[in-house]
Amino acid sequence: LAKTTQPISMDSYEGQEVNITCSHNNIATNDYITWYQQFPSQGPRFIIQGYKTKVTNEVASLFIPADRKSSTLSLPRVSLSDTAVYYCLVGDWSNDMRFGAGTRLTVKP
Amino acid sequence: EAGVAQSPRYKIIEKRQSVAFWCNPISGHATLYWYQQILGQGPKLLIQFQNNGVVDDSQLPKDRFSAERLKGVDSTLKIQPAKLEDSAVYLCASSLGERGTLDEQFFGPGTRLTVL
Repeated sequence: LAKTTQPISMDSYEGQEVNITCSHNNIATNDYITWYQQFPSQGPRFIIQGYKTKVTNEVASLFIPADRKSSTLSLPRVSLSDTAVYYCLVGDWSNDMRFGAGTRLTVKP
Repeated sequence: EAGVAQSPRYKIIEKRQSVAFWCNPISGHATLYWYQQILGQGPKLLIQFQNNGVVDDSQLPKDRFSAERLKGVDSTLKIQPAKLEDSAVYLCASSLGERGTLDEQFFGPGTRLTVL
């Protein structure tokens, strides 16, 4: 299982772009990188998934360098409602993806 | 589309008592997961079902925890007897479970268990 390392917490202000980086040095060839978001008193929610280069959807972008040993979740123009815990997971369909402690993002007015 | 349903939402019991949680996954989802989330930590996978078969239960404390998924749909997770350290939120999730793809997991609201 690939181990992931993320910052424990980050602070930002409304309207700023936030980049959260996850390290996964022992990522395997078949592994995908998936990010989830969790608000207090709710279950995690899927944000984005990628394998290499860049993936973008309506809420975030995911940047993955060529060596795939890290990935960066980019949240454009955050608002107070983006305050949550963000989890980076690495794995493929045949093995488990483990949630780490995540990154607690606090967006301030 | 209805989401993952869990009940009860809250449960308070005394140590050494038994408790059971119920989960109804999204219709058509073959894979069902039970997670334990202790305050301040990420979710920890307890057991994963593919239809009604167990795929992974390596982190399930089998001396006190049990889970079943009859008919490959609903699932129950039981703790017997409960310990103080079992106080946590128990999350159920489901995914399509198509082999060869990495599925998005859809989570229920969770059951908050307090063991006194």
